[in-house]
Amino acid sequence: EPEVTQTPSHQVTQMGQEVILRCVPISNHLYFYWYRQILGQKVEFLVSFYNNEISEKSEIFDDQFSVERPDGSNFTLKIRSTKLEDSAMYFCASRGIPRGAGANVLTFGAGSRLTVL
Amino acid sequence: GDSVTQMEGPVTLSEEAFLTINCTYTATGYPSLFWYVQYPGEGLQLLLKATKADDKGSNKGFEATYRKETTSFHLEKGSVQVSDSAVYFCALSQGAQKLVFGQGTRLTINP
Repeated sequence: EPEVTQTPSHQVTQMGQEVILRCVPISNHLYFYWYRQILGQKVEFLVSFYNNEISEKSEIFDDQFSVERPDGSNFTLKIRSTKLEDSAMYFCASRGIPRGAGANVLTFGAGSRLTVL
Repeated sequence: GDSVTQMEGPVTLSEEAFLTINCTYTATGYPSLFWYVQYPGEGLQLLLKATKADDKGSNKGFEATYRKETTSFHLEKGSVQVSDSAVYFCALSQGAQKLVFGQGTRLTINP
């Protein structure tokens, strides 16, 4: 079954450092998302991406965050200068065409755990 | 904006017990409703979904019925197993838009 792949599975970084989290969505999917989950809390939407641009972003997604689809397969989340409160599990997700079976279903990756010290 | 509210956890049951996890939502329009499950150390997996009123989603013995009149999508299972121990998230989406999650309910099943 097709899956969303995320790397790294765990990254430890110092406060103020830049971090890039990588995702390989399902190959024929068109919509891409990043979510985060602070330990023990709810899953929060960060950003959605379609047709090579951000389609929606949350208040959490401030100027420190950026997303990019540098080639036909990768989808990255960059945090420019990490803060302690950025420590969380970050989930990438993708979704296929708007119509047909599974149209509204997001497929999630296993997550990248970020620890900021 | 749209929101999802789940029953407070954690929930602890014995094996073979009946499970209900309540979920209610607030949304404009007619959202699709989902239950996702997160097993220990893993990501989010779709458990079941329903796309319109009175639809029943089902998978792995779990069921949930889309109730528009009560804006609810409660998750049920007749006989839980230890392997069902996980965190369960109720969620909604409007058409092509993002998923909005509830706060999650941690379920522990004791043998």
